[in-house]
Amino acid sequence: NAGVTQTPKFQVLKTGQSMTLQCAQDMNHNSMYWYRQDPGMGLRLIYYSASEGTTDKGEVPNGYNVSRLNKREFSLRLESAAPSQTSVYFCASSGRLAGVSGELFFGEGSRLTVL
Amino acid sequence: GQQLNQSPQSMFIQEGEDVSMNCTSSSIFNTWLWYKQDPGEGPVLLIALYKAGELTSNGRLTAQFGITRKDSFLNISASIPSDVGIYFCAGQLRGTYKYIFGTGTRLKVLA
Repeated sequence: NAGVTQTPKFQVLKTGQSMTLQCAQDMNHNSMYWYRQDPGMGLRLIYYSASEGTTDKGEVPNGYNVSRLNKREFSLRLESAAPSQTSVYFCASSGRLAGVSGELFFGEGSRLTVL
Repeated sequence: GQQLNQSPQSMFIQEGEDVSMNCTSSSIFNTWLWYKQDPGEGPVLLIALYKAGELTSNGRLTAQFGITRKDSFLNISASIPSDVGIYFCAGQLRGTYKYIFGTGTRLKVLA
């Protein structure tokens, strides 16, 4: 019962370094999402992929890129990390076709610190 | 951009009391979801709502999808200590694949 799996769970970067957060789901879901959560705040949408082969910007896309590698995997890349990107990152997936209501299921999160 | 206003931000209640929280927006939603998040973990889905006016229960939890499609509320009856945590609403914006989240309600239950 893996559900949504994120790696790594913890990462420390120096300003200017790059890294990729990986996400995989085994529920055969069409849509996948990346959110960030800052202390005391809700989740803000970074990017999403309604279906394999498509990606779109969310509320806070600046400084990030994404790749929908296949139906299972959706990665988030920080090309040049900044301290403002210190956050907890959550990947989520949804089982319904884009535009049709569905439930969001989350991974356990990836805690990123940028020094 | 779109925003979900969630209230209250935090609340302390006595064990056994009922709790109510709500989310409102100026945008219209196709789906409302309610989550609970414990420290260091990802949000866990509690209730999903798909139709305007829908009232759905999950044990001691009851949630409703507002008739205007712009709001939703969550009630927790007879609270217990394990209800402690942060509760989030989330809505799928009409005509999009986007789910946006409220800022959360931090619940503390006093035994």
